[in-house]
Amino acid sequence: GAGVSQSPRYKVAKRGQDVALRCDPISGHVSLFWYQQALGQGPEFLTYFQNEAQLDKSGLPSDRFFAERPEGSVSTLKIQRTQQEDSAVYLCASSIALSGTSYEQYFGPGTRLTVT
Amino acid sequence: AQSVTQLDSHVSVSEGTPVLLRCNYSSSYSPSLFWYVQHPNKGLQLLLKYTSAATLVKGINGFEAEFKKSETSFHLTKPSAHMSDAAEYFCVVSDLEGNEKLTFGTGTRLTIIP
Repeated sequence: GAGVSQSPRYKVAKRGQDVALRCDPISGHVSLFWYQQALGQGPEFLTYFQNEAQLDKSGLPSDRFFAERPEGSVSTLKIQRTQQEDSAVYLCASSIALSGTSYEQYFGPGTRLTVT
Repeated sequence: AQSVTQLDSHVSVSEGTPVLLRCNYSSSYSPSLFWYVQHPNKGLQLLLKYTSAATLVKGINGFEAEFKKSETSFHLTKPSAHMSDAAEYFCVVSDLEGNEKLTFGTGTRLTIIP
């Protein structure tokens, strides 16, 4: 079956532009996560949804970052007024489980954002 | 707070020899621990996970890891390295408190020498 998909795979933005990154989770997966992976580093948690509810956004680095999942399936991560430090790979993951359990998170291929 | 420390940023082994990638964790709660692998230009793939069942966990591609609470360690091993094992490996912890967010280590790059 289809895995987690992300689009676009690559995005180049000029500093100050707004960008929107899309994530299509595996059908039926309740939990959805966004992570940011800087070059040479491990992924870092950004935010978490359970269905359409955003339960944790403690990892969002600034108020320029915004995520939504209005119908509990597709999610969009939006970055306003991009800065060079936003350059990274943005990973989306989904999991079948509700909180309190530990099921596998399935990762998408990521969107590589380069801010020039 | 939870964290993992990967003790080696880069490990090189010869093909056919054993692999050891070291990881120590810190968690306020009974942790769930994972190893993920990331091949170049590919997504993260789960190798194995520990969730308070058997302390010796077997994963895919011949990898295994042992949870040692007394040493707060979760080292990844494989008896015989294959060229296809060359990749970045991440040790990961989740404490299940509130949500399942994963905390990744900084990664270990495994190089296989022919």
